[in-house]
Amino acid sequence: KNEVEQSPQNLTAQEGEFITINCSYSVGISALHWLQQHPGGGIVSLFMLSSGKKKHGRLIATINIQEKHSSLHITASHPRDSAVYICAVIISGTYKYIFGTGTRLKVLA
Amino acid sequence: EPEVTQTPSHQVTQMGQEVILRCVPISNHLYFYWYRQILGQKVEFLVSFYNNEISEKSEIFDDQFSVERPDGSNFTLKIRSTKLEDSAMYFCASSGDGYTEAFFGQGTRLTVV
Repeated sequence: KNEVEQSPQNLTAQEGEFITINCSYSVGISALHWLQQHPGGGIVSLFMLSSGKKKHGRLIATINIQEKHSSLHITASHPRDSAVYICAVIISGTYKYIFGTGTRLKVLA
Repeated sequence: EPEVTQTPSHQVTQMGQEVILRCVPISNHLYFYWYRQILGQKVEFLVSFYNNEISEKSEIFDDQFSVERPDGSNFTLKIRSTKLEDSAMYFCASSGDGYTEAFFGQGTRLTVV
């Protein structure tokens, strides 16, 4: 079983829809990182959070430490949001990241 | 905006050869990392590096691999005697203090033939 699980694995949405991607983890963490990977392969950092909620533009990330769960929301989705969204956690007491398998999002115009 | 840069963007090498992948982390960062992503698979941690030594490594990071910070700016990953299964995208990342956000380079696609 993966220590970091994401759902759904694939998601297709119409432009303008509200999107939620979920991440659950089974290990103790010091922080959780949401990343975006574009078709060319490059990885961009979206959020790092260890509690509560963060917002940047149309993106919102929340984390519930007790439930070991985080969500990434995209409001008013746009085709340019199409990418793979990756959840990664930093294991407590280490500098080691464990990555989820990613959620492939496609937003149709 | 500061960024992590990696060179080359794509390298093709013969099986058995040695390769060196290069990274220039963000200048005031202290923690450096290498990750790899085999095509179609998830990103995997290889190694973290702080204060001129390895702080952690995964089971993937065996004697075939080594890292070095040869000067004040570069951070390199050396892969000796490459194998076909080393073909992957290799990402370098850096962070300020190890617990804050890590910034990733664009990756080096290594193809072993």
